[in-house]
Amino acid sequence: DMKVTQMPRYLIKRMGENVLLECGQDMSHETMYWYRQDPGLGLQLIYISYDVDSNSEGDIPKGYRVSRKKREHFSLILDSAKTNQTSVYFCASAPGQNYAEQFFGPGTRLTVL
Amino acid sequence: AQSVTQPDARVTVSEGASLQLRCKYSYSGTPYLFWYVQYPRQGLQLLLKYYSGDPVVQGVNGFEAEFSKSNSSFHLRKASVHWSDSAVYFCVLSAPNTNKVVFGTGTRLQVLP
Repeated sequence: DMKVTQMPRYLIKRMGENVLLECGQDMSHETMYWYRQDPGLGLQLIYISYDVDSNSEGDIPKGYRVSRKKREHFSLILDSAKTNQTSVYFCASAPGQNYAEQFFGPGTRLTVL
Repeated sequence: AQSVTQPDARVTVSEGASLQLRCKYSYSGTPYLFWYVQYPRQGLQLLLKYYSGDPVVQGVNGFEAEFSKSNSSFHLRKASVHWSDSAVYFCVLSAPNTNKVVFGTGTRLQVLP
């Protein structure tokens, strides 16, 4: 079953707390992504990972970092979360060079108070 | 630079009516083009894709799109919409032989019963 999973689905944190969002995929895809989605802004790319320990900044990496120690798992970390990081975060994966044929997870709704 | 424009933020149609969602792109060559759909509280799902060849491509659930190089467009169509088609639709461009993927800002479709 081809699937991208995200945990948790909902999260409430206070400003200054650390946040860990986790993403898994069972398709052995090399490439994985983290996006955030805000009303009226569409999807914004935070980070892209081409494989284990091969990560690149996307369009809005400030305030975020990522970790990919296994091909099937990609984490997004917010050190000292800020209120403007309240958003819906999506993880996606793509096979090989087909960067635009992405499989998306269900999203994590993060609220930073 | 590549870009994708979806000029209609919202479209409302009645059930059974035909539908066209517009997408215009900017790219110097022939891009790869995609449409994704996002149902409420879900991640994006690939609807259809165009790489080359026949400019009319078929997708799932009766959707099709037509590529026009002369008009730099990739409009999405459906002959008869159903209330369950209510969702947000994203047009996406991928530059061949690169990892660059550009998302449009989306068109929210509301189908009235």
